[in-house]
Amino acid sequence: SSELTQDPVVSVALGQTVRITCQGDILRSFYANWYQQKPKQAPVLVLYGKNNRPSGIPDRFSGSYSGNTASLTITGAQAEDEADYYCNSRVPGVYLLVFGGGTKLTVL
Amino acid sequence: EVQLLESGGGLVQPGGSLRLSCAASGFTFRASAMSWVRQAPGKGLEWVSGISVTGDGTYYAASVKGRFTISRDNDMDTLYLQMNGLGVDDTALYYCAKDGYNLGDFFDYWGQGALVTVSS
Repeated sequence: SSELTQDPVVSVALGQTVRITCQGDILRSFYANWYQQKPKQAPVLVLYGKNNRPSGIPDRFSGSYSGNTASLTITGAQAEDEADYYCNSRVPGVYLLVFGGGTKLTVL
Repeated sequence: EVQLLESGGGLVQPGGSLRLSCAASGFTFRASAMSWVRQAPGKGLEWVSGISVTGDGTYYAASVKGRFTISRDNDMDTLYLQMNGLGVDDTALYYCAKDGYNLGDFFDYWGQGALVTVSS
């Protein structure tokens, strides 16, 4: 399957650590990238490749992998981290990119 | 500062056509692969199409293949998406995105989107 599966809703208490997961067989071949999207705004890249943060992204965002699952971890979640998070990767053997369905993160 | 500015969206009847444009600035456009990603109202992101730096490689999602055509003008620093045979399922905000490193690696910059509404 070329799908990426994400939990639709995740919540975290302010200052605590939260992990958002992205599951799919294609992640055994390619890394996942992660995007943050706040209401009425364009997505922003927060992690790419194995565990790389673009310039300007706080170091509380990190990535990891286990089998067919990629995880985005926010260590010490802040109110401004409340957003939708999408993973994306590519399908092996063809040029086809896919996104996960997105996870809505609520910071309590 | 990287800027991607989409234009050309609007209301179109089912079966109609539209051409989106994306004016790029703040980076070397001719050295960057580019893509279109769309988001239906209240829904998630969907990759639509990608194009190589020279334009000789073009790729499409199954949902738009045969109806949409991606192209670029490296002299004008502009990306295009010609959309034909539009259906109600094509209603979405269409984002222009710059590919990082190589085509399909990741999208490091996004425009603000152009809204396409397909309705009778």
